[in-house]
Amino acid sequence: AQTVTQSQPEMSVQEAETVTLSCTYDTSESDYYLFWYKQPPSRQMILVIRQEAYKQQNATENRFSVNFQKAAKSFSLKISDSQLGDAAMYFCAYRDPGGTSYGKLTFGQGTILTVHP
Amino acid sequence: DAGITQSPRHKVTETGTPVTLRCHQTENHRYMYWYRQDPGHGLRLIHYSYGVKDTDKGEVSDGYSVSRSKTEDFLLTLESATSSQTSVYFCAISEAWTRQETQYFGPGTRLLVL
Repeated sequence: AQTVTQSQPEMSVQEAETVTLSCTYDTSESDYYLFWYKQPPSRQMILVIRQEAYKQQNATENRFSVNFQKAAKSFSLKISDSQLGDAAMYFCAYRDPGGTSYGKLTFGQGTILTVHP
Repeated sequence: DAGITQSPRHKVTETGTPVTLRCHQTENHRYMYWYRQDPGHGLRLIHYSYGVKDTDKGEVSDGYSVSRSKTEDFLLTLESATSSQTSVYFCAISEAWTRQETQYFGPGTRLLVL
């Protein structure tokens, strides 16, 4: 079974600075999808960014970017110019491409990000 | 935002009582999922559905059952609630498990079993 590990239970960053959240995963598949979800205090799960394993180029969404290292099975999230509104729990998630997976997600344990003004 | 609602949003119940949580979607998506969120575990899949009356077990399905009689509704039932089922429950939907598809989550239900 696939596993996803987030080894940083908590991280903190100063406003306007850059922070990187780590995620590693284990899979025997060659094609899959990786996601970062943000969960603010409201508990709503918000998709931040997604990466398709067959694409070598790292995904970017405004201030959010990933460093996808397929051989190392590493998928880190970089937040640039951190804002107070970025404070949240961040989850890394894995998904098989299809077949019998039916789009099921496997999540990491989460990282709580604190942003200091 | 995807049209997903969950009811109730908060519930307190006693050990041994049955509990049903409802997920309702207005997107006509085929796939629906129930996850539970616990500290230190992230979100874990309980059950999922790939069509009306088509459901299957997830990673942590013991003590839970589901039903889907209509596309828009996916019910999660705790037949006899236990304290270990105290958690936050999320419903999610997906149109298809294709390359471009993403899961969208409901607002969550906080359940406390005393």
